[in-house]
Amino acid sequence: AQSVTQLGSHVSVSEGALVLLRCNYSSSVPPYLFWYVQYPNQGLQLLLKYTTGATLVKGINGFEAEFKKSETSFHLTKPSAHMSDAAEYFCAVSGPGGGSNYKLTFGKGTLLTVNP
Amino acid sequence: ETGVTQTPRHLVMGMTNKKSLKCEQHLGHNAMYWYKQSAKKPLELMFVYSLEERVENNSVPSRFSPECPNSSHLFLHLHTLQPEDSALYLCASSQDDLRGGDTQYFGPGTRLTVL
Repeated sequence: AQSVTQLGSHVSVSEGALVLLRCNYSSSVPPYLFWYVQYPNQGLQLLLKYTTGATLVKGINGFEAEFKKSETSFHLTKPSAHMSDAAEYFCAVSGPGGGSNYKLTFGKGTLLTVNP
Repeated sequence: ETGVTQTPRHLVMGMTNKKSLKCEQHLGHNAMYWYKQSAKKPLELMFVYSLEERVENNSVPSRFSPECPNSSHLFLHLHTLQPEDSALYLCASSQDDLRGGDTQYFGPGTRLTVL
């Protein structure tokens, strides 16, 4: 079965600093990879996803993530944090590697705090 | 309305009550999903419908009963719930017929509290 590990349940950065949220997955074949963001009292919103092609994926709000097959990782980065980035971030996988292709397996989430 | 909407946004119910959660998607999608989001736990997939047919029941207790009358609407009927069922219930939809890599679009959720 697929699994997703997000290192660090809580990450705190200063405004203007680099944001790095870590995600590792376990799958026998490269899956499809997603990052979602959840603001307080809202549902999940897609930030970016990797299916095929270029391994560096750009998303909304200045975020990007790089698929590294050798490291089974899909870390999320943003060069300069903004106060509005404070939210919970979820990494998810679907597709090849077990189970029905459409099923999303989520990590436990990382709460990002941005300090002024 | 645009995207995926859910009503009510908040619900408090007793263990003997019967209530229903409603989800509507305005995206023309073919698949709809119910998820449960509890504190400190990953999102749990509960049910999946594709073209109004249930294709997944992820070992969910029978006190949760889904209904999908058409491709735009999804309901979750609740009865004799337990306090541990208190959670945020999220609805989602996706465009195609359950293809891997398809983006799921989420509603804002219903915050359910069972007393």
